[in-house]
Amino acid sequence: AQRVTQPEKLLSVFKGAPVELKCNYSYSGSPELFWYVQYSRQRLQLLLRHISRESIKGFTADLNKGETSFHLKKPFAQEEDSAMYYCALSAGSGAGSYQLTFGKGTKLSVIP
Amino acid sequence: EAQVTQNPRYLITVTGKKLTVTCSQNMNHEYMSWYRQDPGLGLRQIYYSMNVEVTDKGDVPEGYKVSRKEKRNFPLILESPSPNQTSLYFCASSASRDEKLFFGSGTQLSVL
Repeated sequence: AQRVTQPEKLLSVFKGAPVELKCNYSYSGSPELFWYVQYSRQRLQLLLRHISRESIKGFTADLNKGETSFHLKKPFAQEEDSAMYYCALSAGSGAGSYQLTFGKGTKLSVIP
Repeated sequence: EAQVTQNPRYLITVTGKKLTVTCSQNMNHEYMSWYRQDPGLGLRQIYYSMNVEVTDKGDVPEGYKVSRKEKRNFPLILESPSPNQTSLYFCASSASRDEKLFFGSGTQLSVL
């Protein structure tokens, strides 16, 4: 069974400091990985996905299959980055079905 | 406007009284799923559906039922709610496993 681990429940950084939100996964096949974000009083929304290799709002994430990690990074944190961040893995569960598993989330707090 | 619509937004009920939370999407998405969000536990998948008449259990399916009779609708049914099902529920849809999930605005359920 697949698993997603976000080791930090809460991460506090100062504005302008680099940010790294950790995500590790366990899955024997080829996963599809995502980062979702939930700002205060808003619905969850996709931040980025590894297959598109894009940078959204200054965030990037690289899939490291050797370390089974998909850490989210931003060189300079902004106050508006304060939110709940979820790492998610989409993996096959047999017969063409795909199950999406979320980590428990990391709350990022950017201190002015 | 492309969106996922959940109803109701808030629901208070008593133990054992059957309830249904509706979810509808207008994007012709094949994949739909339900999650519950609990403090410290993050998002956990309840059920998902790859297409009409195809549903699969997620991580926490006990006490829930779903149906997918039409592509656009994916209701969540609690036949006999219990207090441990008090939670924030999200419905989501996507075109496929590789595409981003669109989330509904959530349903806050309290079972007394």
